[in-house]
Amino acid sequence: GAVVSQHPSRVICKSGTSVKIECRSLDFQATTMFWYRQFPKQSLMLMATSNEGSKATYEQGVEKDKFLINHASLTLSTLTVTSAHPEDSSFYICSATRQGLIAGNEQFFGPGTRLTVL
Amino acid sequence: GENVEQHPSTLSVQEGDSAVIKCTYSDSASNYFPWYKQELGKRPQLIIDIRSNVGEKKDQRIAVTLNKTAKHFSLHITETQPEDSAVYFCAAPNIIQGAQKLVFGQGTRLTINP
Repeated sequence: GAVVSQHPSRVICKSGTSVKIECRSLDFQATTMFWYRQFPKQSLMLMATSNEGSKATYEQGVEKDKFLINHASLTLSTLTVTSAHPEDSSFYICSATRQGLIAGNEQFFGPGTRLTVL
Repeated sequence: GENVEQHPSTLSVQEGDSAVIKCTYSDSASNYFPWYKQELGKRPQLIIDIRSNVGEKKDQRIAVTLNKTAKHFSLHITETQPEDSAVYFCAAPNIIQGAQKLVFGQGTRLTINP
């Protein structure tokens, strides 16, 4: 159990367009989902924390109007990169924590989405 | 908030030798310390974790030790194999308003030389 999927796995878009990335927990209900960005040879940097039915909490320095997060259900969160620019090119990874897990901190990661903005 | 420091940034060992990666954290209230392995272009995968009520945990060739007083924890890999080559990340929780975020270390690129 505890499988997280992401779609698409890879996307190439033109500068100025918007891209939506989906993150799904396939076999469990996710209390919270997290969105990370990872540049080459760097660590995972948390962008925002998403709870079902409420507004996402963004990390300092992350533009909420540029990275729109919607967490419509306990199994789906989406990240939309609006008006993408080449500097937004990165590896975007989501993770989820499992509802009801006692003292749960474990995060289950999706396979990531490689975004390339031309 | 939590701050996690990880060392070394790169580590190269001969196949069969042991590898040790260390992390320090700042928040004494942190209670969960996972280690993730990430291969190139893939998702981070949890390989072992430890909670603050124990000092050591072992799973076959992998072990993690925790020193709460000194606020550091370490990953130990014994009898290393080529497939252990990857980037390893430690993490510690940062509890803000009930949401438990993970703060990741900078990562260690481990290379196992045959």
